[in-house]
Amino acid sequence: GDSVTQMEGPVTLSEEAFLTINCTYTATGYPSLFWYVQYPGEGLQLLLKATKADDKGSNKGFEATYRKETTSFHLEKGSVQVSDSAVYFCALRGGAAGNKLTFGGGTRVLVKP
Amino acid sequence: EAGVTQFPSHSVIEKGQTVTLRCDPISGHDNLYWYRRVMGKEIKFLLHFVKESKQDESGMPNNRFLAERTGGTYSTLKVQPAELEDSGVYFCASSPGVRNEKLFFGSGTQLSVL
Repeated sequence: GDSVTQMEGPVTLSEEAFLTINCTYTATGYPSLFWYVQYPGEGLQLLLKATKADDKGSNKGFEATYRKETTSFHLEKGSVQVSDSAVYFCALRGGAAGNKLTFGGGTRVLVKP
Repeated sequence: EAGVTQFPSHSVIEKGQTVTLRCDPISGHDNLYWYRRVMGKEIKFLLHFVKESKQDESGMPNNRFLAERTGGTYSTLKVQPAELEDSGVYFCASSPGVRNEKLFFGSGTQLSVL
């Protein structure tokens, strides 16, 4: 079945540091890939998405590129802020599981001033 | 416009008791999903409603879980009797159409079974 693996946290870094969260997936067909973010006390929000190979999703300074050859969708941000502290979830949709979202385990990111 | 709302935000119960979680989707959204995150692990799909009908309930763990969506509006998820392993965060999400890939999530219900 479909699966998503992402690096375990927590990831602690200083403001203005570079952030990378690795995400790899296993799926049949051609799934869409997503990054969701959960800020403290809030629900999951869609951060960015990519629907086909080589697409780059971007939002709020975050970027991720759909790499079919390495089955990866790593999340990056060049200069993080304290407000980026959150839990980040990589997910896919449209593989063997159809319209259901398949999530990774989540990565907690803590940005210190 | 109100987002997806879930009640309660937290629930602490004893093993063997019954708990009912509620989700109010965004008005007009036909699709309603339940997910849960157990013990800080990955978020897993529970079930999917289209209006009042269960489209997919393949993720429901066992028959102690009962989901309903009366009149195709709000949904409830009842756990009876609750077990320790049911502890986790239960998320609800809604979307206007199945092919619309954006799901709107609620903030979740943190369930603790002691």
